[in-house]
Amino acid sequence: SQKIEQNSEALNIQEGKTATLTCNYTNYSPAYLQWYRQDPGRGPVFLLLIRENEKEKRKERLKVTFDTTLKQSLFHITASQPADSATYLCALDEDNYGQNFVFGPGTRLSVLP
Amino acid sequence: KAGVTQTPRYLIKTRGQQVTLSCSPISGHRSVSWYQQTPGQGLQFLFEYFSETQRNKGNFPGRFSGRQFSNSRSEMNVSTLELGDSALYLCASSLTGGQNTEAFFGQGTRLTVV
Repeated sequence: SQKIEQNSEALNIQEGKTATLTCNYTNYSPAYLQWYRQDPGRGPVFLLLIRENEKEKRKERLKVTFDTTLKQSLFHITASQPADSATYLCALDEDNYGQNFVFGPGTRLSVLP
Repeated sequence: KAGVTQTPRYLIKTRGQQVTLSCSPISGHRSVSWYQQTPGQGLQFLFEYFSETQRNKGNFPGRFSGRQFSNSRSEMNVSTLELGDSALYLCASSLTGGQNTEAFFGQGTRLTVV
Protein backbone atom coordinates (compact mmCIF):
# COMPACT_ATOMS: atom_id res chain seq x y z
CA SER A 1 0.00 0.00 0.00
CA GLN A 2 1.07 3.60 -0.43
CA LYS A 3 2.45 5.32 2.58
CA ILE A 4 4.29 8.53 3.46
CA GLU A 5 5.89 8.78 6.87
CA GLN A 6 7.82 11.40 8.79
CA ASN A 7 10.44 10.23 11.24
CA SER A 8 8.82 11.24 14.45
CA GLU A 9 5.73 12.94 15.66
CA ALA A 10 7.76 15.35 17.79
CA LEU A 11 11.38 16.44 17.90
CA ASN A 12 13.04 18.59 20.56
CA ILE A 13 16.40 20.20 19.93
CA GLN A 14 18.54 22.85 21.55
CA GLU A 15 18.78 26.33 20.04
CA GLY A 16 21.71 26.67 17.68
CA LYS A 17 21.77 22.98 16.72
CA THR A 18 20.77 21.52 13.36
CA ALA A 19 17.35 19.94 13.15
CA THR A 20 16.99 17.04 10.72
CA LEU A 21 13.54 15.85 9.73
CA THR A 22 12.91 12.76 7.63
CA CYS A 23 10.23 11.98 5.10
CA ASN A 24 9.98 8.42 3.77
CA TYR A 25 7.54 7.16 1.19
CA THR A 26 6.46 3.76 -0.06
CA ASN A 27 4.91 2.84 -3.40
CA TYR A 28 4.95 6.36 -4.75
CA SER A 29 6.96 7.75 -7.65
CA PRO A 30 6.97 11.46 -6.90
CA ALA A 31 7.75 13.93 -9.62
CA TYR A 32 8.63 16.41 -6.90
CA LEU A 33 8.44 16.87 -3.18
CA GLN A 34 7.73 19.95 -1.11
CA TRP A 35 8.22 20.94 2.52
CA TYR A 36 5.79 23.14 4.42
CA ARG A 37 5.69 24.72 7.82
CA GLN A 38 2.44 24.90 9.77
CA ASP A 39 1.82 26.89 12.92
CA PRO A 40 -1.17 26.13 15.19
CA GLY A 41 -4.43 27.41 13.78
CA ARG A 42 -2.90 28.45 10.48
CA GLY A 43 -2.55 27.01 7.01
CA PRO A 44 0.74 25.48 5.84
CA VAL A 45 3.39 27.80 4.44
CA PHE A 46 5.58 26.67 1.54
CA LEU A 47 9.30 26.36 2.29
CA LEU A 48 11.12 24.39 -0.41
CA LEU A 49 10.47 22.29 -3.49
CA ILE A 50 12.82 19.63 -4.86
CA ARG A 51 12.34 17.74 -8.11
CA GLU A 52 13.03 14.04 -8.70
CA ASN A 53 16.19 14.80 -10.68
CA GLU A 54 17.63 17.11 -8.01
CA LYS A 55 19.72 15.93 -5.10
CA GLU A 56 19.76 19.00 -2.90
CA LYS A 57 18.17 22.43 -2.53
CA ARG A 58 19.07 25.25 -0.16
CA LYS A 59 17.38 28.39 1.01
CA GLU A 60 19.02 30.44 3.75
CA ARG A 61 19.22 28.13 6.81
CA LEU A 62 17.14 25.43 5.15
CA LYS A 63 18.38 22.48 3.14
CA VAL A 64 16.45 19.62 1.62
CA THR A 65 17.77 16.46 0.00
CA PHE A 66 15.93 13.93 -2.12
CA ASP A 67 17.06 10.35 -2.63
CA THR A 68 14.72 8.48 -4.97
CA THR A 69 16.65 5.24 -4.43
CA LEU A 70 16.13 5.36 -0.69
CA LYS A 71 12.70 6.91 -1.22
CA GLN A 72 13.55 9.54 1.31
CA SER A 73 13.82 13.30 1.73
CA LEU A 74 15.73 14.97 4.52
CA PHE A 75 14.97 18.49 5.69
CA HIS A 76 17.60 20.36 7.68
CA ILE A 77 17.35 23.61 9.64
CA THR A 78 20.77 24.86 10.65
CA ALA A 79 21.41 27.22 13.57
CA SER A 80 17.88 26.56 14.76
CA GLN A 81 15.99 29.22 16.70
CA PRO A 82 12.94 29.06 18.97
CA ALA A 83 11.00 30.80 16.18
CA ASP A 84 11.55 27.68 14.06
CA SER A 85 9.25 25.74 16.41
CA ALA A 86 6.32 24.51 14.31
CA THR A 87 5.01 21.43 12.57
CA TYR A 88 6.82 20.56 9.35
CA LEU A 89 5.05 18.66 6.63
CA CYS A 90 6.41 16.97 3.55
CA ALA A 91 4.17 16.62 0.52
CA LEU A 92 4.69 14.76 -2.73
CA ASP A 93 3.00 14.84 -6.08
CA GLU A 94 3.29 12.02 -8.57
CA ASP A 95 2.74 14.04 -11.69
CA ASN A 96 3.36 17.43 -13.11
CA TYR A 97 -0.23 17.95 -14.15
CA GLY A 98 -2.22 19.94 -11.70
CA GLN A 99 -1.91 19.76 -7.96
CA ASN A 100 -2.64 16.59 -6.05
CA PHE A 101 -0.44 16.57 -2.97
CA VAL A 102 -0.10 13.67 -0.61
CA PHE A 103 1.00 15.00 2.76
CA GLY A 104 2.96 13.28 5.46
CA PRO A 105 1.64 13.34 9.04
CA GLY A 106 4.10 16.06 10.05
CA THR A 107 6.82 16.43 12.65
CA ARG A 108 6.29 18.89 15.49
CA LEU A 109 9.63 20.58 16.08
CA SER A 110 10.38 22.38 19.34
CA VAL A 111 13.56 24.42 19.56
CA LEU A 112 14.46 24.96 23.18
CA PRO A 113 16.30 28.13 24.24
CA LYS B 1 -0.80 41.42 -2.38
CA ALA B 2 -3.66 39.84 -0.50
CA GLY B 3 -3.30 36.20 0.47
CA VAL B 4 -5.77 33.38 0.14
CA THR B 5 -9.01 34.20 1.93
CA GLN B 6 -11.33 31.58 3.29
CA THR B 7 -14.76 32.27 4.71
CA PRO B 8 -16.16 31.67 7.17
CA ARG B 9 -13.35 30.97 9.64
CA TYR B 10 -15.53 28.94 11.96
CA LEU B 11 -18.76 27.06 11.42
CA ILE B 12 -20.96 24.83 13.54
CA LYS B 13 -23.49 22.63 11.78
CA THR B 14 -25.82 19.81 12.73
CA ARG B 15 -25.64 16.31 11.33
CA GLY B 16 -27.58 15.97 8.11
CA GLN B 17 -27.23 19.62 7.14
CA GLN B 18 -25.17 20.87 4.25
CA VAL B 19 -22.47 23.50 4.22
CA THR B 20 -20.73 25.70 1.66
CA LEU B 21 -17.23 27.03 2.18
CA SER B 22 -15.64 29.77 0.13
CA CYS B 23 -12.10 30.41 -1.02
CA SER B 24 -10.75 33.49 -2.78
CA PRO B 25 -7.32 32.76 -4.29
CA ILE B 26 -4.46 35.17 -4.72
CA SER B 27 -5.10 37.48 -7.64
CA GLY B 28 -3.88 35.90 -10.86
CA HIS B 29 -3.85 32.36 -9.50
CA ARG B 30 -5.93 29.95 -11.53
CA SER B 31 -5.53 26.73 -9.57
CA VAL B 32 -7.43 26.17 -6.34
CA SER B 33 -7.12 22.97 -4.31
CA TRP B 34 -9.05 21.89 -1.24
CA TYR B 35 -7.79 19.81 1.66
CA GLN B 36 -9.30 18.34 4.80
CA GLN B 37 -7.13 18.27 7.93
CA THR B 38 -7.98 16.15 10.96
CA PRO B 39 -5.82 15.00 13.89
CA GLY B 40 -6.28 11.36 12.89
CA GLN B 41 -5.85 11.52 9.11
CA GLY B 42 -3.72 14.61 8.69
CA LEU B 43 -4.00 16.67 5.51
CA GLN B 44 -5.94 14.92 2.79
CA PHE B 45 -6.52 16.14 -0.75
CA LEU B 46 -10.12 16.70 -1.77
CA PHE B 47 -10.00 18.18 -5.27
CA GLU B 48 -8.35 20.75 -7.49
CA TYR B 49 -9.95 23.21 -9.86
CA PHE B 50 -8.28 25.00 -12.72
CA SER B 51 -10.05 27.36 -15.11
CA GLU B 52 -13.46 26.33 -13.76
CA THR B 53 -12.79 22.62 -14.35
CA GLN B 54 -12.08 19.93 -11.80
CA ARG B 55 -8.63 18.68 -12.73
CA ASN B 56 -7.85 16.28 -9.88
CA LYS B 57 -9.95 14.51 -7.30
CA GLY B 58 -9.09 12.73 -4.07
CA ASN B 59 -10.77 9.76 -2.46
CA PHE B 60 -13.71 11.37 -0.79
CA PRO B 61 -17.39 10.44 -1.14
CA GLY B 62 -19.68 12.26 -3.52
CA ARG B 63 -21.09 14.30 -0.64
CA PHE B 64 -18.03 16.48 -1.10
CA SER B 65 -18.22 18.66 -4.18
CA GLY B 66 -16.83 21.90 -5.41
CA ARG B 67 -16.81 24.41 -8.16
CA GLN B 68 -14.78 27.29 -9.44
CA PHE B 69 -16.02 30.53 -10.90
CA SER B 70 -14.65 32.56 -13.79
CA ASN B 71 -12.81 34.85 -11.34
CA SER B 72 -11.07 31.73 -9.89
CA ARG B 73 -12.93 31.93 -6.60
CA SER B 74 -13.95 28.49 -5.45
CA GLU B 75 -16.55 26.95 -3.22
CA MET B 76 -16.79 23.52 -1.74
CA ASN B 77 -19.97 21.94 -0.54
CA VAL B 78 -20.55 19.10 1.85
CA SER B 79 -24.02 17.61 1.92
CA THR B 80 -25.61 15.39 4.56
CA LEU B 81 -22.98 16.26 7.13
CA GLU B 82 -21.61 13.54 9.41
CA LEU B 83 -19.80 13.91 12.72
CA GLY B 84 -16.62 12.70 11.01
CA ASP B 85 -16.69 15.69 8.69
CA SER B 86 -15.56 17.90 11.57
CA ALA B 87 -12.20 19.20 10.43
CA LEU B 88 -10.16 22.13 9.29
CA TYR B 89 -10.80 22.70 5.60
CA LEU B 90 -7.96 24.39 3.79
CA CYS B 91 -7.77 25.76 0.32
CA ALA B 92 -4.58 26.47 -1.54
CA SER B 93 -4.05 28.55 -4.63
CA SER B 94 -1.23 28.53 -7.13
CA LEU B 95 -0.54 30.12 -10.48
CA THR B 96 -1.11 27.02 -12.53
CA GLY B 97 -0.70 24.10 -10.16
CA GLY B 98 1.79 21.32 -10.66
CA GLN B 99 5.56 21.44 -10.69
CA ASN B 100 7.40 24.71 -10.26
CA THR B 101 4.45 26.36 -8.59
CA GLU B 102 4.23 26.66 -4.87
CA ALA B 103 0.88 26.48 -3.16
CA PHE B 104 -0.34 29.27 -0.91
CA PHE B 105 -2.74 28.15 1.77
CA GLY B 106 -5.51 30.08 3.44
CA GLN B 107 -6.09 30.03 7.19
CA GLY B 108 -8.83 27.46 6.80
CA THR B 109 -12.42 27.04 7.87
CA ARG B 110 -12.92 25.12 11.09
CA LEU B 111 -16.09 23.06 10.68
CA THR B 112 -17.66 21.41 13.68
CA VAL B 113 -20.54 19.00 13.13
CA VAL B 114 -22.69 18.31 16.19
